[in-house]
Amino acid sequence: AQSVAQPEDQVNVAEGNPLTVKCTYSVSGNPYLFWYVQYPNRGLQFLLKYITGDNLVKGSYGFEAEFNKSQTSFHLKKPSALVSDSALYFCAVRLWGRDDKIIFGKGTRLHILP
Amino acid sequence: DGGITQSPKYLFRKEGQNVTLSCEQNLNHDAMYWYRQDPGQGLRLIYYSQIVNDFQKGDIAEGYSVSREKKESFPLTVTSAQKNPTAFYLCASSGGVGRSGANVLTFGAGSRLTVL
Repeated sequence: AQSVAQPEDQVNVAEGNPLTVKCTYSVSGNPYLFWYVQYPNRGLQFLLKYITGDNLVKGSYGFEAEFNKSQTSFHLKKPSALVSDSALYFCAVRLWGRDDKIIFGKGTRLHILP
Repeated sequence: DGGITQSPKYLFRKEGQNVTLSCEQNLNHDAMYWYRQDPGQGLRLIYYSQIVNDFQKGDIAEGYSVSREKKESFPLTVTSAQKNPTAFYLCASSGGVGRSGANVLTFGAGSRLTVL
């Protein structure tokens, strides 16, 4: 079955340290991958996407993500975390064909400690 | 400003009642989606529509119904058949169908439904 997984429910990082939020996927064909962020009681906001080209994708708020085809991963990264980065992060993948839809991972709660 | 408007923001329902959540977009997007969010379960797809007058079931469609009579509107009805309807509901849209653009989803602010 096609799926996307976020293996960590929660990630804690000290402010100023680099952060990584993990995502792996299982899809047929070339994946279209996305990261979204959600603040409390709000909808999701788009951060970045990978379609094709460079494996390192840069997005909003200083975030970037690295596409690794051999490991089927698309980890979200930021060199220096801010307290304001604390939120719920979702990885997503677009499915094509009969099921033209977008599916999401379960989300990872990121806590940046002052 | 273009965007997606969901209403109401909060809704309380008695058991056995149907309720309808509104979703309106002025982005001229073809595709619209309804997701349900529960703690620890992420977003699960309820229904989606790629074009007016057509829609498909998602992964958890039982107990829900939708319509897509206009491009701008995609209301979701939570029926009495939905056994556990208390959740946060998110509507989203994207700018096209097929592989063109690998469209990003734009989300509304959500509607929180509580069954009393």
